[in-house]
Amino acid sequence: QSALTQPASVSGSPGQSITISCTGTSSDVWSYNHVSWYQQHPGKAPELMIFEVTKRPSGVSDRFSGSKSDNTASLTISGLQAEDEADYYCCSLARSSTYVFGPGTKVTVL
Amino acid sequence: EVQLVQSGAEVKKPGDSLKISCKGSGYSFTSHWIGWVRQMPGKGLEWMGIIYPRDSDIRYNPSFQGQVTISADESISTAYLQWSSLRASDSALVYCARQTQHAYDLWGRGTMVTVSS
Repeated sequence: QSALTQPASVSGSPGQSITISCTGTSSDVWSYNHVSWYQQHPGKAPELMIFEVTKRPSGVSDRFSGSKSDNTASLTISGLQAEDEADYYCCSLARSSTYVFGPGTKVTVL
Repeated sequence: EVQLVQSGAEVKKPGDSLKISCKGSGYSFTSHWIGWVRQMPGKGLEWMGIIYPRDSDIRYNPSFQGQVTISADESISTAYLQWSSLRASDSALVYCARQTQHAYDLWGRGTMVTVSS
């Protein structure tokens, strides 16, 4: 099972926009529109922020958006706020109906 | 209330067996896959496997195949993750999560597993 690649950290000032990339392979991200993104604050369970590449669950701020091009998916956070400081993980469907998470990206609000 | 309730923290010795649980409520338990996700101390999320409670169809991450066993009892809306012989390297926080449209939209609070002699 191949691993997805994410930057270890991304930072931005309040009000700015940041983008986190998630690079996979032809066995996962490239082949399926089933990429999801999770936010995890310290000591808390992960929370779903984006599913099926671009869709937001009810209750998730529209400052969060997702996209995909070829084998790279991206999560963009617009109007960065202090509460957005957390770890973010991408996840993709892969071959044989298995799934794979990325290593996570720590977002820091300067 | 729609929720997944996981069993409590466990402290075990190397070589011990362990079975942890995840009970769903407030929704149709048999209509959603349940996944298990490991998070080792200070590390990221690792997908371990999933089970469809209605027919016990299971998918494992090859890295965990043979190391853990996933099962479910649909009559009591509960999924399980078990180890037959724990190692220190199995120490981790383990989450269960409900899968909807290929994403995990409902998470348990996690079960901390500590393996130490």
